[in-house]
Amino acid sequence: DQQVKQNSPSLSVQEGRISILNCDYTNSMFDYFLWYKKYPAEGPTFLISISSIKDKNEDGRFTVFLNKSAKHLSLHIVPSQPGDSAVYFCAASDSNAGGTSYGKLTFGQGTILTVHP
Amino acid sequence: DTEVTQTPKHLVMGMTNKKSLKCEQHMGHRAMYWYKQKAKKPPELMFVYSYEKLSINESVPSRFSPECPNSSLLNLHLHALQPEDSALYLCASSQGGSARDNEKLFFGSGTQLSVL
Repeated sequence: DQQVKQNSPSLSVQEGRISILNCDYTNSMFDYFLWYKKYPAEGPTFLISISSIKDKNEDGRFTVFLNKSAKHLSLHIVPSQPGDSAVYFCAASDSNAGGTSYGKLTFGQGTILTVHP
Repeated sequence: DTEVTQTPKHLVMGMTNKKSLKCEQHMGHRAMYWYKQKAKKPPELMFVYSYEKLSINESVPSRFSPECPNSSLLNLHLHALQPEDSALYLCASSQGGSARDNEKLFFGSGTQLSVL
């Protein structure tokens, strides 16, 4: 049973436009969410996170929105740049599992973002 | 230095071989992790070491044996693997301490393992 789902395997966007990557989760105990970016032949790199007590977190061109009632989060990249082309993973954790999550992240399958010049 | 270094980058081994994957970080992180990623699948947690002690084993078969010699090093010893164990093995580290610090993992580039 996949608890974190990214239903779009790929997304293609023109440079300068907005990229919106979506993620859905089923476990209502998840209370912390993260986005990681992965280039080929490299490990995932932390991008941005959001706690369940918030509905929005912004860092430069990246904004993450959380809709707890819908169990949905999204990552907005504005404006998109060719260097943003990568695989984007959504991840979630339950900080109350065993008293601490210890980095026990549940990842989605990833979305390949391609930004065209 | 914000790097997690993994060696080797690629490894091919037979089912009777014994090999080891190595991971090193010098960020002063006290938690280290092994994740496994199959092609077109998300990373899956295998082991967590916290302050050099094994704190989580996600029911990983005994043919995978982790070791944390000190706070900077993490090894994964491999013995009698199966072809289905072929995957990208990712090492990660985090600060340790509060749960929120633990979520921000720094990943290495991984070791691409092929078992023949």
